Amino acid sequence: DTAVSQTPKYLVTQMGNDKSIKCEQNLGHDTMYWYKQDSKKFLKIMFSYNNKELIINETVPNRFSPKSPDKAHLNLHINSLELGDSAVYFCASSRNGDTEAFFGQGTRLTVV
Amino acid sequence: QKEVEQDPGPLSVPEGAIVSLNCTYSNSAFQYFMWYRQYSRKGPELLMYTYSSGNKEDGRFTAQVDKSSKYISLFIRDSQPSDSATYLCAMKRTTDSWGKLQFGAGTQVVVTP
Repeated sequence: DTAVSQTPKYLVTQMGNDKSIKCEQNLGHDTMYWYKQDSKKFLKIMFSYNNKELIINETVPNRFSPKSPDKAHLNLHINSLELGDSAVYFCASSRNGDTEAFFGQGTRLTVV
Repeated sequence: QKEVEQDPGPLSVPEGAIVSLNCTYSNSAFQYFMWYRQYSRKGPELLMYTYSSGNKEDGRFTAQVDKSSKYISLFIRDSQPSDSATYLCAMKRTTDSWGKLQFGAGTQVVVTP
């Protein structure tokens, strides 16, 4: 059984569109994250939620809006997609903010 | 200049050789040092982490931290083709949550049979 699962795995869309990526974890963890990995493999934190509450919000355009309907789910909605948004987006979860994070398989987003 | 520097490679070694990976960093406040392995089209997975200076060994993997030089290393002994992956270093301060990790860019390793 997949511990942290993301959908979709691949997403190709046109500039200007709005899209969502979903993430679910079945580990019973309290903390969830969204990371962005660019073409040079550089991994950067975007958001972190603890028990549905936003605790980390790095410098990310406000076109990106996370939403946590419950502590097992953290979705990422992106408005008005731009070419520079093309990247792999990883969801992760940890028992709490002080323990190891487990990553999902990633969503490869391509904006054309 | 990025806080964590890592040579992207690729690093190609024959099976059975020792793989040597390293990262340098600029923030002397970093106290936790991690190594992640990322297979192609997969998410990163934690290999090992160390606190402060010193060595840590886990099977074929050895992590070293030299805080005086702001330099960390990962050695893989008796490398196998299944070790072919990208290895990312990451680090954080004691007061940072796990979400505040600073990652290196990753080094691609290819172990040839």
